[in-house]
Amino acid sequence: SYELTQPPSVSVSPGQTAKITCSGDALPKQYAYWYQQKPGQAPVMVIYKDNERPSGIPERFSGSSSGTTVTLTISRVQAEDEADYYCQSADSSDTYKVFGGGTKLTVL
Amino acid sequence: EVQLVESGGGLVQPGRSLRLSCAVSGFTFDDYALHWVRQAPGKGLEWVSGISWNSGMIGYADSVKGRFTISRDNAKKSLYLEMNSLRTEDTALYFCAKDISLTLDGFEMWGQGTMVTVSS
Repeated sequence: SYELTQPPSVSVSPGQTAKITCSGDALPKQYAYWYQQKPGQAPVMVIYKDNERPSGIPERFSGSSSGTTVTLTISRVQAEDEADYYCQSADSSDTYKVFGGGTKLTVL
Repeated sequence: EVQLVESGGGLVQPGRSLRLSCAVSGFTFDDYALHWVRQAPGKGLEWVSGISWNSGMIGYADSVKGRFTISRDNAKKSLYLEMNSLRTEDTALYFCAKDISLTLDGFEMWGQGTMVTVSS
């Protein structure tokens, strides 16, 4: 079965830049999406189609893609950005939607 | 305001069935695909199933294929998940999610979820 690989955790100081990666063999062919989930809350889409930002999401959130890796970048990190972040995409035949294992972002 | 409200969760014994519903408001229901995504306690997100705007495209995760059936009623603006032969590993919070498009892409908006517990 197809898998997306994320680092379990990333730590960053306030005001710094956080980068969360997601790797998968089908990422050159399939769009990636990113979700933020805070404890006890439903996920929120923060990036769609690799690098598009939904309305209402701060410009500090951006996405990029290079080969089999996509990256979520959060600039000028704030305490409120502390959350779990999940990437999501599809397998090469677009049969299955898949989530990465999630990355816990800690703001020091 | 877009709202997705799930219902139908509860405690059920292994091998039994349960039907989840998701009532939607705030957008043109039949312009978007819809999905079910679940999250086991303390675990990550798992896509369960998705259905396109006209039910022409339907997909299931391997873990539920043959046991779960997704459907939608565009007239009632509702999404459903019929879950049969439930297993303890199906225990999770089940979210209803609106896609960004007519077909199966990404999950733009989410409900708050309904909890399903499978236990004897």
